[in-house]
Amino acid sequence: EVQLVESGGGLVQPGGSLRLSCAASGFTFSSYEMNWVRQAPGKGLEWVSYISSSGNSIYYADSVKGRLTISRDNAKNSLYLQMNSLRAEDTAVYYCARGEPQGGSFSQGFDFWGQGTLVTVSS
Amino acid sequence: SYELTQPPSVSVSPGQTASITCSGDKLGDKFACWYQQKPGQSPVLVIFQDTKRPSGIPERFSGSNSGNTATLTISGTQAMDEADYYCQAWDRSTAVFGTGTKVTVL
Repeated sequence: EVQLVESGGGLVQPGGSLRLSCAASGFTFSSYEMNWVRQAPGKGLEWVSYISSSGNSIYYADSVKGRLTISRDNAKNSLYLQMNSLRAEDTAVYYCARGEPQGGSFSQGFDFWGQGTLVTVSS
Repeated sequence: SYELTQPPSVSVSPGQTASITCSGDKLGDKFACWYQQKPGQSPVLVIFQDTKRPSGIPERFSGSNSGNTATLTISGTQAMDEADYYCQAWDRSTAVFGTGTKVTVL
């Protein structure tokens, strides 16, 4: 059974930092692209970042570029999101979502999602 | 930046057909996916590659994509289909979600 479990969310002051983790199980993690997607309270879904199966290709939404950093450790079956210089508008539930098998064509969507972890940026 | 626009809400009677549109420039040249999200739950993929259903998704969910519009159709809508629905596509290494549509089953 595919499982994605996020952790690391919490309350942080503006300008602060936080590191989110996503533990994956039930599939060959190293063979899949991964993403972070967030959802502000009462709002829609917003894609945050993508990382290829090897970690060699990384993309970010313009809204987080230069402040958030995605990474993965295939030996630990884990995905990470380092969040720096946090702003109030970063307040959201952050989901890790499985993408396509390596070599995909950006066509298959995000087929498994974690339960999400809430990040609140407030003084 | 690329944008995908959906109607804020769609209402449907039980057993009837609900159609949710997603509009974007030359969207038909890209692959569209659709997600269902119920209150307090994580999104669930219901359509990928415009028309395909993941394992476990009922046949009443179908999709199409042509021109500037992708459409999710729910045939024989059930009360359990009441949820928010989001379209999604990739544009130049960026994943874009639609604005979301709340489907109400009256």
